[in-house]
Order: sequence, then C-alpha cells, then structure tokens
Amino acid sequence: AQTVTQSQPEMSVQEAETVTLSCTYDTSESNYYLFWYKQPPSRQMILVIRQEAYKQQNATENRFSVNFQKAAKSFSLKISDSQLGDTAMYFCAFMKQDNNDMRFGAGTRLTVKP
Amino acid sequence: NAGVTQTPKFQVLKTGQSMTLQCAQDMNHEYMSWYRQDPGMGLRLIHYSVGAGITDQGEVPNGYNVSRSTTEDFPLRLLSAAPSQTSVYFCASSYTPRDPRNEQFFGPGTRLTVL
Repeated sequence: AQTVTQSQPEMSVQEAETVTLSCTYDTSESNYYLFWYKQPPSRQMILVIRQEAYKQQNATENRFSVNFQKAAKSFSLKISDSQLGDTAMYFCAFMKQDNNDMRFGAGTRLTVKP
Repeated sequence: NAGVTQTPKFQVLKTGQSMTLQCAQDMNHEYMSWYRQDPGMGLRLIHYSVGAGITDQGEVPNGYNVSRSTTEDFPLRLLSAAPSQTSVYFCASSYTPRDPRNEQFFGPGTRLTVL
C-alpha cells in the first residue's frame, strides 16, 4: 500500500520569506500523481499544485513550486514570498495513475507571522 | 457550477442512530469518493465510485454504506453510529482516472459528532 509521510507537524515563517514543506512517499508504482492541498480554517480543501511522476520538470504555480525527486520518493513544497493568507494546513497526497484512490499525509500546519 | 455540495454542515447523533450524509456534484464527474478527516491522520478514503451503479471500499469502510444511483449523487449512510465515527467527512469528485486533468474537487465537509 502507498503511504505518505509529512514529518513536520507544524511550521512557521515570517511574512515575505520562503518556507519549504517536506513530503515523502512509498510506492512500487512508476506512474502516479502527487498533489499538495491547502486547508484553511474554513475547512475547504484547495488544490495548490500537482505533479505527474512521468514529468521530470518540477511544477510551479505562481509563488508555489515543488522539488520532485522521484528516485528519493520526495515531493517538497516551496512557498515564496509568504503571505498571511497562506496560513493553513497543507496536505501532501499520492494517487496511482490507474485509479483515483488518493492517499494523504497527516498534514503540516503552517503559520505565517506578520 | 456549484461544484461539490454536502449537507448537512453539522450533525450531532446519539450512539446507535442512523443517518445519511448527502453529496452532489454538477461537473459530470464519473468518480466520487468519501473521506473522513481525524486529527493528526489526514484524510482517509471510506468508499468510492467510478460511475453510476459501481461502488467499492476504500481504506476504512466499516460502519458505512454507499450507493450511486445517478452520476450526480453519492450519499454516505451510517448504519448505527458509534463515537469512533465522530469526524469531519469530505465528499470529493473527479474526472476519470486516465484524464490528464485529473484532480479531486472537495466539498465543504460535514462535521459529525456521535455522543
């Protein structure tokens, strides 16, 4: 079974600085998707960024980028120019290519301080 | 589009009661799923469906039933509520697994407390 590990239960960063959230996963699959979801206090799950395992290029979405290391099974999220609105729980998730069974990590609570 | 909607937003049950959590989507997604979120454990898959009339178990299915009579609706039934089922429940939907746009769209969640 696939497992996703987020080793940082809580992190904090000063506004405008950069922070990196870690995620590792365990799988024997070669084709899969990886995701970072944001969950603000409203509880709504919001997709931040996604990465297809067959793509070597790291995904970027504005201030959000990932460092995808397939051999190391690592998928970290970098948030640049942190904003107060980035305060939320962040979940790393794994999904096999042939089905939609998504496995989540336990989450990292990020606080952006003014 | 309303996206994924869930009702109710909050519910309190007594042990042994039954109830149905409603989920609907208007994006014509084939895949729908139910997750529960417990503190410190992320989201865990309860049941999922790859289309009308087809359902299957996820990681934590015990105590829950589902059915998928239409593409739009995917209700989750608690047969006999237990305190261990106190959690936040999320419904999600997505395109077919092989669609490159594939991502899961989540509803706003239902906070369930079982006394």
